[in-house]
Amino acid sequence: AQTVTQSQPEMSVQEAETVTLSCTYDTSENNYYLFWYKQPPSRQMILVIRQEAYKQQNATENRFSVNFQKAAKSFSLKISDSQLGDTAMYFCALPGGGADGLTFGKGTHLIIQP
Amino acid sequence: NAGVMQNPRHLVRRRGQEARLRCSPMKGHSHVYWYRQLPEEGLKFMVYLQKENIIDESGMPKERFSAEFPKEGPSILRIQQVVRGDSAAYFCASSPPTGSSGNTIYFGEGSWLTVV
Repeated sequence: AQTVTQSQPEMSVQEAETVTLSCTYDTSENNYYLFWYKQPPSRQMILVIRQEAYKQQNATENRFSVNFQKAAKSFSLKISDSQLGDTAMYFCALPGGGADGLTFGKGTHLIIQP
Repeated sequence: NAGVMQNPRHLVRRRGQEARLRCSPMKGHSHVYWYRQLPEEGLKFMVYLQKENIIDESGMPKERFSAEFPKEGPSILRIQQVVRGDSAAYFCASSPPTGSSGNTIYFGEGSWLTVV
């Protein structure tokens, strides 16, 4: 069974700081994808970034990047130059919740302080 | 290209009534997923459907809940005889046929069910 663990229920940083959200997972698959989703107060689920497990290079999307450690089954999200609009719940996800569906972690509530 | 469309966005039902939530996947997507999010929790997988087929319903309660994705029209999640514990956000997601986009699924904006 797939498991996804986010050990930080809540984090708070000042605007413009860099913050790292942690995620560990367990899977028996060898080739898979990993995802970070953002859920702002509007509650919409927005894909932030994804990583292909067979690629050694860490994925980057503007201010968002990941630190993917396949052997350690770790997939952390780094947000640089944080902005007030980054305030949201962040969920790490791994395919496995039903065919091609996803298994989600419990989320990290990130608060960006002005 | 419209995203995943869900309606209604908000639904209030009295205990014992039925709730029907609709989801139209993104154009070109043939896979639909339903997830439930209870307050202060992450999303939990309920059911995965393709057109006219339920592929995996392992996350859906055995009683009162059903889902369909007919040949024509939206996918529908149906909850009969609702109870207060059914109050939650229900998210629909869709994806293209397997392998064509790296398993990325795209979410709708959710339907909030409140049972009073």
